[in-house]
Amino acid sequence: ETGVTQTPRHLVMGMTNKKSLKCEQHLGHNAMYWYKQSAKKPLELMFVYSLEERVENNSVPSRFSPECPNSSHLFLHLHTLQPEDSALYLCASSPNSGGILQTQYFGPGTRLLVL
Amino acid sequence: QKEVEQNSGPLSVPEGAIASLNCTYSDRGSQSFFWYRQYSGKSPELIMSIYSNGDKEDGRFTAQLNKASQYVSLLIRDSQPSDSATYLCAVIRGGGSNYKLTFGKGTLLTVNP
Repeated sequence: ETGVTQTPRHLVMGMTNKKSLKCEQHLGHNAMYWYKQSAKKPLELMFVYSLEERVENNSVPSRFSPECPNSSHLFLHLHTLQPEDSALYLCASSPNSGGILQTQYFGPGTRLLVL
Repeated sequence: QKEVEQNSGPLSVPEGAIASLNCTYSDRGSQSFFWYRQYSGKSPELIMSIYSNGDKEDGRFTAQLNKASQYVSLLIRDSQPSDSATYLCAVIRGGGSNYKLTFGKGTLLTVNP
């Protein structure tokens, strides 16, 4: 266990559904991240939050909406997704963002299937 | 040119051999370099980090960095079947608003008993 938990672990949703992914870290870190991992593609950084403020948004479609209510919790709200959004969504945390010492601790991921 | 490039493999080595995993990157401003191991169906876990030129050893693992050649490698000595996994190279440039973290696609390593 890395100290980063994610729920749900598996999710199947239709294209018209609205769902949310949850991430919680118990490490006292100040930065949290959402990644997308698709087959045969590099891990893609989607969002970065540092001290609850979004510091990076890598041109992610608006159907993905992140929320960071405090430094321990991170959500990814999903609506009107497309089948190509099916992937493993990984949450990670690190002590802080912006410095060069960026050891990332990953959660177990949510396997998402969009039908 | 891909920002972080790795041979996708699979790289197959016999048990007890040295496995050599390579990674090249395109951004000369890159400062931090990481190797993650990802077992099938699991999330990545950090194996090694390296920030300055040269070698860094941790148990059976050695990371090597050559910034002039924009090259970082991971050597695994005395490879074990439990080392069979995908190894991801990650590179960080900058900080603050210039922060950029990029992963390679990963190299699949198979250690045969």
